[in-house]
Parts: sequence; C-alpha cells; structure tokens
Amino acid sequence: AQTVTQSQPEMSVQEAETVTLSCTYDTSESNYYLFWYKQPPSRQMILVIRQEAYKQQNATENRFSVNFQKAAKSFSLKISDSQLGDTAMYFCAFMIWGGSNYKLTFGKGTLLTVNP
Amino acid sequence: EPEVTQTPSHQVTQMGQEVILRCVPISNHLYFYWYRQILGQKVEFLVSFYNNEISEKSEIFDDQFSVERPDGSNFTLKIRSTKLEDSAMYFCASRGGLAGGQGFFGPGTRLTVL
Repeated sequence: AQTVTQSQPEMSVQEAETVTLSCTYDTSESNYYLFWYKQPPSRQMILVIRQEAYKQQNATENRFSVNFQKAAKSFSLKISDSQLGDTAMYFCAFMIWGGSNYKLTFGKGTLLTVNP
Repeated sequence: EPEVTQTPSHQVTQMGQEVILRCVPISNHLYFYWYRQILGQKVEFLVSFYNNEISEKSEIFDDQFSVERPDGSNFTLKIRSTKLEDSAMYFCASRGGLAGGQGFFGPGTRLTVL
C-alpha cells in the first residue's frame, strides 16, 4: 500500500517570502504521479501542480515549483513570492499510473498561513 | 471550462436516514470517484467506478454505501442508514481517459448527521 507523509501540520510565511512544504511517500511502484492540491477555506480541492515520476525535470507552475527526489521519495512544494491568497491547506497526493483505478492517496495536509 | 458539479452543497439528516449525494462528472470522462474528508482530517478514498462498475473500494466503503451511474451523466453515492461518524465533506471527482491526468474535483457536499 502507498503512504504519503506530510510532517509539517502548520506553517506560516510572510507575504512575498518563499516557503517550502515537505512531502515524502512510500511505494514499490515505478510508474506514478505526484500532485499538490490546495484547499482554501471554501474546501474546494484545487490542483496546484503535478509531477510525473518518469520525468527528471522538476515541474513548475508560475510561483509554484517542486523538488522531486525520486530515490529519496521526496516531493516538496516551493511557493515563491507568497501571497495572502495562498493561505490554505495543502495536500500532497500520489497516484499509481495504470490499471483501472487511478485513485489518489493523500497526505494529512499542511496548513499554510501567509501573514501580511 | 468544464467542471464537476455536486448537489446539494450541504445536507443535514437524522441518524438512520438514507441520503443520496449527487454528482455530474465532466462529460466524456471515464473514471469516477468519491472521496471523504472528515473535518480537520485528510481526504480519504472511498470508491472508484469505471466501465459501469466499481473498480476499487476502500474499507470505509461498507455495505451501507453504494454508487450508481443511472443515466450516463449523474454519479450518485447513497448511504443507506447514516451514522454520526458519516458527517464529513464528500467530494466527487472524475478523470478522463488520458494517462496521468489528474482528477477534477467537485466542490463537495457537506453532510451533517444529527
């Protein structure tokens, strides 16, 4: 079974600064995807960024980037130039590629607060 | 932009009552899911549905739960006899057939069991 661990229950950052959220996972699979989802107070699940395990290049989406270390099974999210609207719960998620399922396994989340 | 919709946004029910949560996935998607999030906890997989049948279910998804895709557009989750511990946010998600595509989540239904 796959597990996803987010070791930081809460973090805070000053507006305009950079913050990194940690995620580690455990799997014996070789083909998988990793995701970061954002959940603001509205509780909507919003995809932030995704990484295919077979790609060595780290994914980036504007102010969001990941540091994917496959051997270490680590997938951290870096948010640059933090904005007040980034305040949310952030979930790391794992998905096995293949089969007839493609379900997501989530970590427990990190509550990020961006302070003015 | 296509989106997953869910109704109702908030459902309040008495313990022991049956509830049906409804979802309209993105048209032409092939994989459908229900996830649950108890307040303050992580999002948990309940069930996946593909090719008109359940492809996987979690240990949470016991005999009190069932899913249906009755008309090719709606995807429903039924809880036959609700318990207090069923109070949670329920998310529907759908996914297209393209490999690696992420699930698109609906806005969720908040279920409160009294």
